[in-house]
Amino acid sequence: DIQMTQSPSSLSAAVGDSVVITCRASQTIRKYLNWYHQKSGQPPRLLIHSASSLERGVPSRFSASGSGTEFTLTVANLQPSDFGTYYCQTGSPLPRFGGGTRVE
Amino acid sequence: QEQLLESGGGVVPPGRSQRLSCVGSGFTFSEYGVHWVRHVPGQGLQWVAVIWYDGSRKYYGESLEGRFTISRDNSRNTTDLQMDNLRVDDTATYFCARDFGRGFYGMDVWGQGTTVIVSS
Repeated sequence: DIQMTQSPSSLSAAVGDSVVITCRASQTIRKYLNWYHQKSGQPPRLLIHSASSLERGVPSRFSASGSGTEFTLTVANLQPSDFGTYYCQTGSPLPRFGGGTRVE
Repeated sequence: QEQLLESGGGVVPPGRSQRLSCVGSGFTFSEYGVHWVRHVPGQGLQWVAVIWYDGSRKYYGESLEGRFTISRDNSRNTTDLQMDNLRVDDTATYFCARDFGRGFYGMDVWGQGTTVIVSS
């Protein structure tokens, strides 16, 4: 089974900062990688699909890159609504989430 | 707008069963696969199961097949998750989510979740 490892597991940041989150797959997943944001008490929200494509309605301060086994999510100019937990998720052959990165 | 709404959560003793339901609206339900994903606070998200748009294929997360069964009724725009022989570590908020249909699995519309507490 493919394992998804995120780092860091948590980070502290301030409004206006840029943050970078890394996701590694235990074997190649090409570009079958999605990113989600979840705030406490709410369902996750899809931010990025196919490793680097912004989901419609998501602000352009979110960007992502990578392929194969190494992926990154960048949040520029952090806003108060951006705090919470970010998850990567591979979609092939079956869904699996990373452990999450808490941004506080 | 496109929505999913879960129901069926509650408190259930270990070893018993619980059935969750999810109803979709605002989109053509029969054209999309549906996932169940659970969240344990402090432990992250765990994918539970997926059922294809027509019910022809079903897949389950690790160690769940055999206890959990996913089904759907496109005439009623519903997907159910039957959970048997529940364990304490099945305690979680369960979300249903629409598959985004991009050739690999991802979830673009989520319900608000329903909480299952397994406790004696």
